[in-house]
Amino acid sequence: DGGITQSPKYLFRKEGQNVTLSCEQNLNHDAMYWYRQDPGQGLRLIYYSQIVNDFQKGDIAEGYSVSREKKESFPLTVTSAQKNPTAFYLCASRTGRSPSSYNEQFFGPGTRLTVL
Amino acid sequence: AQSVAQPEDQVNVAEGNPLTVKCTYSVSGNPYLFWYVQYPNRGLQFLLKYITGDNLVKGSYGFEAEFNKSQTSFHLKKPSALVSDSALYFCAVREGFTGGGNKLTFGTGTQLKVEL
Repeated sequence: DGGITQSPKYLFRKEGQNVTLSCEQNLNHDAMYWYRQDPGQGLRLIYYSQIVNDFQKGDIAEGYSVSREKKESFPLTVTSAQKNPTAFYLCASRTGRSPSSYNEQFFGPGTRLTVL
Repeated sequence: AQSVAQPEDQVNVAEGNPLTVKCTYSVSGNPYLFWYVQYPNRGLQFLLKYITGDNLVKGSYGFEAEFNKSQTSFHLKKPSALVSDSALYFCAVREGFTGGGNKLTFGTGTQLKVEL
């Protein structure tokens, strides 16, 4: 998990509330990713960003939003529009050093979100 | 579209015996393949990757994987399992071209249980 921090580790939310998950990296990586993990479903991509001030939707972006104002930070907001937000959320980053496509992603320790 | 299949939800093996965790993939072009391991309530840790070259790839903690293009497989192996290897293992694939955000597609994971 070295170099990528996620906070908080556990988060509880009432239905109808927005909540923001933090992801910070000190690896000087260009690309950052948000995944959602549910039991038996593996990891599914929510959003990703290859450079500052730019991001793209992943496979399950509905009900989520992100920003990338700084290279080190990629916060994820889970909005009230997300119908089933209870899950384990993982942030990852990857260097853009060429050839970037060869490089593995490094993961943070995750945030477990529970909707009450 | 790219996809990954991990046909076994769980693999049980005795300590000291060899282990294999299976992975098959589907991509349009050349695959870049990755294995990650996840311990409970933690992020994913990178084990090894295949980009090109030798079909047998060696990685962390004594793990290795064999790329088989004809069978579109990338099985994870270890000659002698340890109880501490017990964890959730994920195979991931991306197509070997630039662009597309270097998106990985993950399998659903295989729970490895090593018993004394």
